[in-house]
Amino acid sequence: AQKITQTQPGMFVQEKEAVTLDCTYDTSDQSYGLFWYKQPSSGEMIFLIYQGSYDEQNATEGRYSLNFQKARKSANLVISASQLGDSAMYFCAMREGPPSGSARQLTFGSGTQLTVLP
Amino acid sequence: DTEVTQTPKHLVMGMTNKKSLKCEQHMGHRAMYWYKQKAKKPPELMFVYSYEKLSINESVPSRFSPECPNSSLLNLHLHALQPEDSALYLCASSHPGQLGSYNEQFFGPGTRLTVL
Repeated sequence: AQKITQTQPGMFVQEKEAVTLDCTYDTSDQSYGLFWYKQPSSGEMIFLIYQGSYDEQNATEGRYSLNFQKARKSANLVISASQLGDSAMYFCAMREGPPSGSARQLTFGSGTQLTVLP
Repeated sequence: DTEVTQTPKHLVMGMTNKKSLKCEQHMGHRAMYWYKQKAKKPPELMFVYSYEKLSINESVPSRFSPECPNSSLLNLHLHALQPEDSALYLCASSHPGQLGSYNEQFFGPGTRLTVL
């Protein structure tokens, strides 16, 4: 079974509007973390936002917020007031287990290509 | 300074060449990662170094040889590559979790490799 599922290969949004990118996950661990990364066409993966499995409040970072629904195992990214520079590939990723003192692998979803229209 | 640097940005090599990719970070991170990424696909993990020791090798062919000379530097040595090895190679680093981080990984800009 896929551990991270992103069902939207491509999304379009009008500039200044909000958009939600979907992510569902599958894990039997009680402690885990969920990440969103942005990858512009230049290639660099940019860390956007993090949600821990025990965090009671949804994470927010500027125009980014994470709609975390633990019972549904979903961690959707909401981008408010879209800008042209938000056009990029967006990846949802999961760390299984608690934060580690050494290295932790991330499992990535297949990504959503977001295009912001002027 | 949350920066991971990678050189070169672009590399074209023949199948008989030997080349190296370099990755550097000065954030005090003790875990470093190599990923391979094909177009429109998620990154695939290749190697993980934890405290300068190789901790994960995801069954990568021996024509890829990683090296971690110190805690700031990670190399990927390439030899006798195949055209299907053409991809974006990303390096990442992460902070130890017990120091208040989430093990979030910070990525470099990548090296676009073309094998002819």
